[in-house]
Amino acid sequence: NAGVTQTPKFRVLKTGQSMTLLCAQDMNHEYMYWYRQDPGMGLRLIHYSVGEGTTAKGEVPDGYNVSRLKKQNFLLGLESAAPSQTSVYFCASSYLAGTYNEQFFGPGTRLTVL
Amino acid sequence: TQLLEQSPQFLSIQEGENLTVYCNSSSVFSSLQWYRQEPGEGPVLLVTVVTGGEVKKLKRLTFQFGDARKDSSLHITAAQPGDTGLYLCAYQGGSEKLVFGKGTKLTVNP
Repeated sequence: NAGVTQTPKFRVLKTGQSMTLLCAQDMNHEYMYWYRQDPGMGLRLIHYSVGEGTTAKGEVPDGYNVSRLKKQNFLLGLESAAPSQTSVYFCASSYLAGTYNEQFFGPGTRLTVL
Repeated sequence: TQLLEQSPQFLSIQEGENLTVYCNSSSVFSSLQWYRQEPGEGPVLLVTVVTGGEVKKLKRLTFQFGDARKDSSLHITAAQPGDTGLYLCAYQGGSEKLVFGKGTKLTVNP
């Protein structure tokens, strides 16, 4: 099993450009998440999904959109990139909501917006 | 949203030394998780602590959940360069979300 994969690994955008980050998991997990990680800020939740066709806002959703058309995929879109969106983006998935929610993370996408 | 405060923010030690990092809050939690994130990788779950006063050991790592379930600590014995990474604690913020602390960045020098 590949676990959680993310594409691309690196990307440089100019201000105003758009892009989509792809997350895929092969563990049949119901829940998927997008985080951003900035120095000194830890992991902050952008959007998440509790199942195919559903999405919800996290702590820092502004400037991002998501879609979960298939259970195994979770897409994160930036419609008009801004320098403040320069960050490392992590996707995660989990199989259980309840007492123990172990999240499995992908390797990250490093995005630079110029 | 309850806050998790992790300390110290940075820690640089020599191989073989012992260390303890902390995860504190004023709130009571049903459980806390510890993750380790190695440079260039995503976080990986190390342990979940559930019961107040609980101690869990993972090789050279010892995790403790406070009696009041408001805090947790991670102690590493005889640290090795492979222990280098960002240590994150997290609590269950609702049934489907985790809320992470800002982490302790550990560097173990050979």
